[in-house]
Amino acid sequence: QVQLQESGPGLVNPSGTLSLTCAVSGDSIGSGKWWSWVRQPPGKGLEWIGEIYHSGSTNYNPSLKSRVTISVDKSKNQFSLRLSSVTAADTAVYYCAREGTSGYSYGPWGQGTLVTVSS
Amino acid sequence: EIVLTQSPGTLSLSPGERATLSCRASQSVRSTYLAWYQQKPGQAPRLLIYGASSRATGIPDRFSGSGSGTDFTLTISRLEPEDFAVYYCQQYGSSPPMYTFGQGTNLEIK
Repeated sequence: QVQLQESGPGLVNPSGTLSLTCAVSGDSIGSGKWWSWVRQPPGKGLEWIGEIYHSGSTNYNPSLKSRVTISVDKSKNQFSLRLSSVTAADTAVYYCAREGTSGYSYGPWGQGTLVTVSS
Repeated sequence: EIVLTQSPGTLSLSPGERATLSCRASQSVRSTYLAWYQQKPGQAPRLLIYGASSRATGIPDRFSGSGSGTDFTLTISRLEPEDFAVYYCQQYGSSPPMYTFGQGTNLEIK
């Protein structure tokens, strides 16, 4: 059974950098799937942030591209998100997810972690 | 960037009734690239349908997806109490490679 678990600080200062890690169990980061980050502001809809392949190839949401870095650590079977120059608008639940078995969709997902941007 | 518009925003139905949720794209979408998710309060989204009409593993057959081009539909044939949730459609676009979600339909108990 594939499981994903997000971890990282729940509070980030404005203008700082948000850093999260997604630990994967039950599957290998190198299994030929894309691994992604999606966020959801409180009470709002889902926003795709970006994804990474085990080779390090990435795709990012153009609206966030200048501030986002997604990286992979195959030795630890995990991948990470860094979002710089954060503002209150970046306050959200952040989910990590794996590409679905048939592609072009996501499942399973992590449980999500709330990150609040505030001083 | 392709924009997905879901309707209605809120759908009020009773258990046992049929639910029809719509997802309209601003440009044509390959059926392979269209997915549907269910999200309950405090939970992560769950994949229901991929490739516009294929059910994900473990999804009951009362859920079905259809459509092509710019118009896609999620149908729940007979609502169970656990089906009341928010539903999102999602599409993959290749230029640039990215995913977008619709704004969601809130399916609530009448």
